[in-house]
Amino acid sequence: EVQLVQSGEEVKKPGESLRISCQTSGYTFAAYWIGWVRQMPGKGLEWMGIIYPGDSHTRYSPSFEGQVTFSTDNSISAAYVQWSSLKASDTAMYYCARPIIIEGTTPGAYDIWGQGTMVTVSS
Amino acid sequence: DIQMTQSPSTLSASVGDRVTITCRSSQSVNDRLAWYQQRPGKAPKNLIYKASSLKSGVPSRFSGSGSGTEFSLTINSLQPDDFATYYCQQYNDYPWTFGQGTKVETK
Repeated sequence: EVQLVQSGEEVKKPGESLRISCQTSGYTFAAYWIGWVRQMPGKGLEWMGIIYPGDSHTRYSPSFEGQVTFSTDNSISAAYVQWSSLKASDTAMYYCARPIIIEGTTPGAYDIWGQGTMVTVSS
Repeated sequence: DIQMTQSPSTLSASVGDRVTITCRSSQSVNDRLAWYQQRPGKAPKNLIYKASSLKSGVPSRFSGSGSGTEFSLTINSLQPDDFATYYCQQYNDYPWTFGQGTKVETK
């Protein structure tokens, strides 16, 4: 069974750094992209970007470029998103999701989702 | 960026109703359009991919249609579990983008 299990809730102060994880299982990790989606409290879904573990190719939304960094550890089939200096506006639920493959390595709709990691940034 | 606009933002309906949600894109996304359902406090769940393909395991009362810039999600005979928020998403061009969501609530 394909599963994406995310790390637990985080409460941080502005200016602190953070890395949250998405532990995958049940499939060949390097063969599928992993995407990240933000949902601020009471708001809709925002596409943050996507990373291909096979070659670390990454596409960021312009809204998140320079604000977050995606990475993977292929040895343990895990994906990460990290912040170097959190802001209060980073308070949100963050989801990882695995897209289907349309053809070759082209990603499609998000097929499998993690349960989400709630990040709260407050002084 | 491609803008995705859903209508309506909120839809009031009753169990057994047929409901349709529309999603329009600011430029063509071909058929690279997905629909997701999100229940409160839960992760989104994919219902439809490639505009009209039903994901395995999703009830057949859900259907999608459209191509280019106009898409729709129809739920035939609304069930209690279907009261949720629905999002469209284009994956034709980066950055991928979501619609703002349509909340289906009880009338």
